[in-house]
Amino acid sequence: DAGVTQSPTHLIKTRGQQVTLRCSPKSGHDTVSWYQQALGQGPQFIFQYYEEEERQRGNFPDRFSGHQFPNYSSELNVNALLLGDSALYLCASSLSGTSGSGTQYFGPGTRLTVL
Amino acid sequence: GIQVEQSPPDLILQEGANSTLRCNFSDSVNNLQWFHQNPWGQLINLFYIPSGTKQNGRLSATTVATERYSLLYISSSQTTDSGVYFCAVPHFNYGQNFVFGPGTRLSVLP
Repeated sequence: DAGVTQSPTHLIKTRGQQVTLRCSPKSGHDTVSWYQQALGQGPQFIFQYYEEEERQRGNFPDRFSGHQFPNYSSELNVNALLLGDSALYLCASSLSGTSGSGTQYFGPGTRLTVL
Repeated sequence: GIQVEQSPPDLILQEGANSTLRCNFSDSVNNLQWFHQNPWGQLINLFYIPSGTKQNGRLSATTVATERYSLLYISSSQTTDSGVYFCAVPHFNYGQNFVFGPGTRLSVLP
C-alpha cells in the first residue's frame, strides 16, 4: 500500500523565481492538503483540494496556488519567491466524507530553500 | 481561531525513563491527533484521540475534551523516540484541516 509521496526532496531557488511541488496521495485517498513548516515551528495549513477544486484555505497570500488532477495527485505553486518562503512543505492526504475522523497521512516533505 | 499550546517545549531523558507531554487547546474539538516528527521531517501518526484513552505499545494518550487538554505518555523511552511531538486539532475555518501546536522536542540519550 503506497503512502503519500512528494517530489522533489530538496529544492534551491532564488528570490523572485517560481516553484512547483508535487504530491501523490495515499492509495484510496481523494483529498490533498498542503502545509508549510518553517524551521522550529509546527506546520501551518495552506489549502486543501478535493474534486479538483480548492475547498479550504489558510492564511496564505495568492502567490500560493495549487491544482489537483483527476488521479487525485496535486501540485503546489509558489510565485515570486521570498526568503521567508524557505520551509519544509508537507502534503497530507485523506479520504473525503470522514468529517470528524479525518485522519490525515503526511508525506516526507519537500525542503525548499530560497536564496 | 483555536489556540494550541504544548508543554514542555524541550525534554531530555535518559533511555528507559518515562515522560508525559501535554497539549492544551482553547475550544471544543471533534478531532485531535498526536504526531511524531522524526529527524528527517517525516510526520508519523501516533493517535487519533478526540476523547478517552488509547494505548499502542509503550505509548498511550488521554484526551479530556471537557477540560480541553490531551496527554501523551511515553514509557521506557528509547533513542528512536527522539524527535518532535505535535498535537493537532481542526480549525473551524479549515474544515478538518489542522492547527498544530508548537511541539515538544524530545531527546532520549543512550
